[in-house]
Amino acid sequence: EIVLTQSPGTLSLSPGERATLSCRASQSVSSTYLAWYQQKPGQTPRVLIYAASTRATGIPDRFSGSGSGTDFTLTISRLEPEDFAVYYCQQYAGSPWTFGQGTKVEIK
Amino acid sequence: EVQLVESGGGLVQPGGSLRLSCAASGFTFSSYWMSWVRQAPGKGLEWVANIRQDGGEKYYVDSVKGRFTISRDNAKNSLYLQMNSLRAEDTAVYYCARVEGIAAAGIWYLDLWGRGTLVTVSS
Repeated sequence: EIVLTQSPGTLSLSPGERATLSCRASQSVSSTYLAWYQQKPGQTPRVLIYAASTRATGIPDRFSGSGSGTDFTLTISRLEPEDFAVYYCQQYAGSPWTFGQGTKVEIK
Repeated sequence: EVQLVESGGGLVQPGGSLRLSCAASGFTFSSYWMSWVRQAPGKGLEWVANIRQDGGEKYYVDSVKGRFTISRDNAKNSLYLQMNSLRAEDTAVYYCARVEGIAAAGIWYLDLWGRGTLVTVSS
């Protein structure tokens, strides 16, 4: 099983600041098999990024993904009020599919 | 409207059974792999199971193997999760999700989610 470890657990930032979220895999993952999701309180998760760096339909360009191998990053260039949420990475390299434990981005 | 709507959740005693359903609409259900993902109260997301378009391939997380069965009825545009021998640790919101992807390129992601149905296992 591939374990995904996200850091930090919580990120306290102000609107307009840059957010950098990390996702580290316990073994190498092809970049095509890595996605990022956003979940706001009381809401359903939605996909932001797939194949490590491709934005999903309708996702603003302030969201970007990068990385390869075991280290992946989600960057939010300038935080908007609606971006404060929990973010999960997920890998599809093999069964079982696994999620990271999440990074909460909160308002400082 | 493209949507997934789960139903069937509720309170069940440990050792009991429950069958979840997911009704799909607005897209060609039979063309997609489908998944169940769960989220325990206040916790993160956990993938539970996948099923291929024709039901011929199924995959499960280890913790539910032998207890849960994923199935689908393409004529009814419906996905199911039969849950037997339920445990307290199965308590969660269960989401139905559509798998989008490009198989030849190895690209997969969950692009459409239902609102979820809550399963509570407690005596």
